Amino acid sequence: AQSVTQPDIHITVSEGASLELRCNYSYGATPYLFWYVQSPGQGLQLLLKYFSGDTLVQGIKGFEAEFKRSQSSFNLRKPSVHWSDAAEYFCAVGYNFNKFYFGSGTKLNVKP
Amino acid sequence: EAGVTQFPSHSVIEKGQTVTLRCDPISGHDNLYWYRRVMGKEIKFLLHFVKESKQDESGMPNNRFLAERTGGTYSTLKVQPAELEDSGVYFCASSQVGGLAVKTQYFGPGTRLLVL
Repeated sequence: AQSVTQPDIHITVSEGASLELRCNYSYGATPYLFWYVQSPGQGLQLLLKYFSGDTLVQGIKGFEAEFKRSQSSFNLRKPSVHWSDAAEYFCAVGYNFNKFYFGSGTKLNVKP
Repeated sequence: EAGVTQFPSHSVIEKGQTVTLRCDPISGHDNLYWYRRVMGKEIKFLLHFVKESKQDESGMPNNRFLAERTGGTYSTLKVQPAELEDSGVYFCASSQVGGLAVKTQYFGPGTRLLVL
């Protein structure tokens, strides 16, 4: 069965520090990959997506993610975190234009 | 362009009562999806409409849940009767048809349901 793993439930980083959130998926075929962010009291906002081509994709708010087929991973990165990045981040995987599979989310806390 | 909207934003009901959630997709999006997040776990797929037809309802928990999309526009998700384990956040998403655009789902703010 397909599954998506976000191994870090909570992460705390200092403002200005770099960030990497991990996401691994299990499936043989190349999936469509997404990162969403949910700020407190808000809905899910699309940060970035990967369908094919260049394995390093750029998103909004200065985020980027890299697809590594050999590791079945799609980690999210940001070189310098801002206090406004505190939120919960979800990795999602789709294999066709139907259901998405989500990880359990990573809550990011940003220290001043 | 308006995004996906959901109503109500919050609902608190007692066990055994009925609740109806509504989702308005982005205009022109024929694909509409319902998801649920229970107690801080992962967000799970419930069902998928293409226009007014149910394409995939494999994630619906049981027959207490009924989803409709009359006319292929907005959708409702009714829970009757509600049980304690139905508490959670219900998300709606929509996507376009055709090409790669269909693969990107845009989510609404969610409805937070609490069953007491």
